[in-house]
Amino acid sequence: GDSVTQMEGPVTLSEEAFLTINCTYTATGYPSLFWYVQYPGEGLQLLLKATKADDKGSNKGFEATYRKETTSFHLEKGSVQVSDSAVYFCALSEGGGSEKLVFGKGTKLTVNP
Amino acid sequence: DAGITQSPRYKITETGRQVTLMCHQTWSHSYMFWYRQDLGHGLRLIYYSAAADITDKGEVPDGYVVSRSKTENFPLTLESATRSQTSVYFCASNPGHTEAFFGQGTRLTVV
Repeated sequence: GDSVTQMEGPVTLSEEAFLTINCTYTATGYPSLFWYVQYPGEGLQLLLKATKADDKGSNKGFEATYRKETTSFHLEKGSVQVSDSAVYFCALSEGGGSEKLVFGKGTKLTVNP
Repeated sequence: DAGITQSPRYKITETGRQVTLMCHQTWSHSYMFWYRQDLGHGLRLIYYSAAADITDKGEVPDGYVVSRSKTENFPLTLESATRSQTSVYFCASNPGHTEAFFGQGTRLTVV
């Protein structure tokens, strides 16, 4: 079945550092790809998405590009802030009318001042 | 309030008891989902529903029951709770062909 693999961390960075969280996927079709963020004690919120190859999703300074040739959707941010501390989940939607999401295991990011 | 709400937010129950987690959405989204979040596993799909009266199993359905008699509600029942069902449970909804929207979660402890 479809699967998502992401670096599990935890990742600890200083404020203004560059962030990369790697995500690769396995899928039989052409999935949509998502990054969700979970702040402490809260549910998941969509951070960004891409629905087809070469699409770039972006939001709040975060970016990720849907790379079909490498089956990847790596999350990047040029300068992280303390407020970015959270758990980040990469996910794919299998499509086919079910809208089910398959998640990676999550990456906990801590940004220190 | 508009959105997706879960209740209760926290629940402690004893092994063997039946417990129901509630999920309500105000958008009339067609799709609804239940996930559990466990350390080292990320989120795993328990059950989902494509419309009222249509439900299907996800990755980890054993020990759980769902129903969806109305579009806006999707309760999850643990028929006889076990310690392995201690987890954080998330409900989500999706109108179709876009992203899912998640509730705040229910932290369930089975003692």
